[in-house]
Amino acid sequence: GAGVSQSPSNKVTEKGKDVELRCDPISGHTALYWYRQSLGQGLEFLIYFQGNSAPDKSGLPSDRFSAERTGGSVSTLTIQRTQQEDSAVYLCASSLAISSTFPYEQYFGPGTRLTVT
Amino acid sequence: DAKTTQPTSMDCAEGRAANLPCNHSTISGNEYVYWYRQIHSQGPQYIIHGLKNNETNEMASLIITEDRKSSTLILPHATLRDTAVYYCIVRVYSSASKIIFGSGTRLSIRP
Repeated sequence: GAGVSQSPSNKVTEKGKDVELRCDPISGHTALYWYRQSLGQGLEFLIYFQGNSAPDKSGLPSDRFSAERTGGSVSTLTIQRTQQEDSAVYLCASSLAISSTFPYEQYFGPGTRLTVT
Repeated sequence: DAKTTQPTSMDCAEGRAANLPCNHSTISGNEYVYWYRQIHSQGPQYIIHGLKNNETNEMASLIITEDRKSSTLILPHATLRDTAVYYCIVRVYSSASKIIFGSGTRLSIRP
């Protein structure tokens, strides 16, 4: 079946511009996660959604970052007034659910490579 | 989160078994061990997970020591396509369920 998809695959933007990154999770997955990976670095958690609500936004690096999810499916990560340090690969993942007793495996998309010039 | 420690890099000959170790000495009794891998320029890929019993699937086997303080991921017949960074992760039971990735082991498969 179809996996997690993300668009665009690559985005080059000028410093100060706003960008929107999109994630389409696997059908039926209620949990959705955003991570980012800077060049040569590990993955950094940003935010996760259970349905349309985001109980954990602790990883968002600043108030320039926001995310929403509508209809329990597609999610958009928005970065306002982009800075060069925002350059990274932004990865989205989805899983069946969020459980207090079992951590379901997460399936990742291919990522969006963001370059801020 | 319980921390994991892995070797920075390893290499293995094509066709041989690749054994990737992971230490997680502070793991709690109900925390699972997960393995993911990330092939260059791709998103991480789930491989396998286990609690205390050894597990096997079509990709790999996971051997967890009886005291659960360490584990080994085994790729039985490594191919060049298995070249990747392999992450050993202990999943915390919380409402977040986010994955905390460490630095992983960079596995190189030589022809």
